[in-house]
Amino acid sequence: DTAVSQTPKYLVTQMGNDKSIKCEQNLGHDTMYWYKQDSKKFLKIMFSYNNKELIINETVPNRFSPKSPDKAHLNLHINSLELGDSAVYFCASRPTSGNTIYFGEGSWLTVV
Amino acid sequence: AQSVTQPDIHITVSEGASLELRCNYSYGATPYLFWYVQSPGQGLQLLLKYFSGDTLVQGIKGFEAEFKRSQSSFNLRKPSVHWSDAAEYFCAVGPGNRDDKIIFGKGTRLHILP
Repeated sequence: DTAVSQTPKYLVTQMGNDKSIKCEQNLGHDTMYWYKQDSKKFLKIMFSYNNKELIINETVPNRFSPKSPDKAHLNLHINSLELGDSAVYFCASRPTSGNTIYFGEGSWLTVV
Repeated sequence: AQSVTQPDIHITVSEGASLELRCNYSYGATPYLFWYVQSPGQGLQLLLKYFSGDTLVQGIKGFEAEFKRSQSSFNLRKPSVHWSDAAEYFCAVGPGNRDDKIIFGKGTRLHILP
């Protein structure tokens, strides 16, 4: 009964491919996020959604497209993968009435 | 602009010694402050958080942190570290409302000497 779950945990793919990472939370939270952690461990927000509405869209290439079919899911689709997309991607969620963000275990993406 | 600074990239302490990891923040309003820990190859685990009230907060695994508004600091402490504490530690600030993001410092890697 993982609270924020991401799949896959590991993904190795070739340049130019299109891939998706799925995220689901069973906490009943209204807000979900995607963060990217680069090779230097720096965590940077990419997107946030509140009840399926896009709230935050940082300067991210438009090859990255989040999709929220319902408030419990926030998937990340990446087109035309590049070497620089190799990173750990973290999904997270937060209740509207609270300020604590709960993270998934991360998805390790390697582009070769 | 919101920011979080962790001035130490690496810290090495001996097992059993005390620990203090520094964190300074810049935030326009009353900050919400967090410490997360990331073990190698793992996700982020919340250690503790400060929203209001007592400025000394207790967390899991024997950690505590003290909020000092005058110094814009939220340093993490532990009186006696264990080898299993070796990990990356992230200080973070925010969010205050649904349009805010949580901003992370660049992390401090803690090494433990036997």
